[in-house]
Amino acid sequence: QKEVEQNSGPLSVPEGAIASLNCTYSDRVSQSFFWYRQYSGKSPELIMSIYSNGDKEDGRFTAQLNKASQYVSLLIRDSQPSDSATYLCAVTLRGSSNTGKLIFGQGTTLQVKP
Amino acid sequence: NAGVTQTPKFRILKIGQSMTLQCTQDMNHNYMYWYRQDPGMGLKLIYYSVGAGITDKGEVPNGYNVSRSTTEDFPLRLELAAPSQTSVYFCASSYKDSNQPQHFGDGTRLSIL
Repeated sequence: QKEVEQNSGPLSVPEGAIASLNCTYSDRVSQSFFWYRQYSGKSPELIMSIYSNGDKEDGRFTAQLNKASQYVSLLIRDSQPSDSATYLCAVTLRGSSNTGKLIFGQGTTLQVKP
Repeated sequence: NAGVTQTPKFRILKIGQSMTLQCTQDMNHNYMYWYRQDPGMGLKLIYYSVGAGITDKGEVPNGYNVSRSTTEDFPLRLELAAPSQTSVYFCASSYKDSNQPQHFGDGTRLSIL
């Protein structure tokens, strides 16, 4: 089992819809969770960080964390074509040989169609 | 405000050659990281440093070396380039540990032929 798993997609949504991106992780004691956006040929840029259970909203973005079920999700409301990118989930692990390191999922490609 | 600066942006090496990828940051961050990203994949941690003079291995350290003589600079060395090292390399930094958001450079695209 991969330590951080994402569906590679592509996830295709129409403009204006809600895009839902999901991520599961293997380590029950992980503490820090991040979503990065990466445009093709560019470097990752931080969108959201979340550290406790529940929802965290920032503009059109909402991160949701459920530690008991070991998943973190990212919702993008009113999706725009400019949101088309690969979204990387990253988790700081606590209970594995990679303790203390930030481990990335393979990313989900989002396509927002006009 | 430059942030994290990587040089070069592109490089082609022959098998067996060596090179150093440069990374410098001007945010006075203690932690610095090197990742590689293969096509369609996430980022894999190669090496990281928690401060000047201190480095440690990540997930995929084989074939690479690092040093950290100053807070600002964290170069990555490839001694004997192999085709499997063809990848995009990203340097990142954070103020504290990996519980803090990381700031990425623009990357170095490296091809080994």
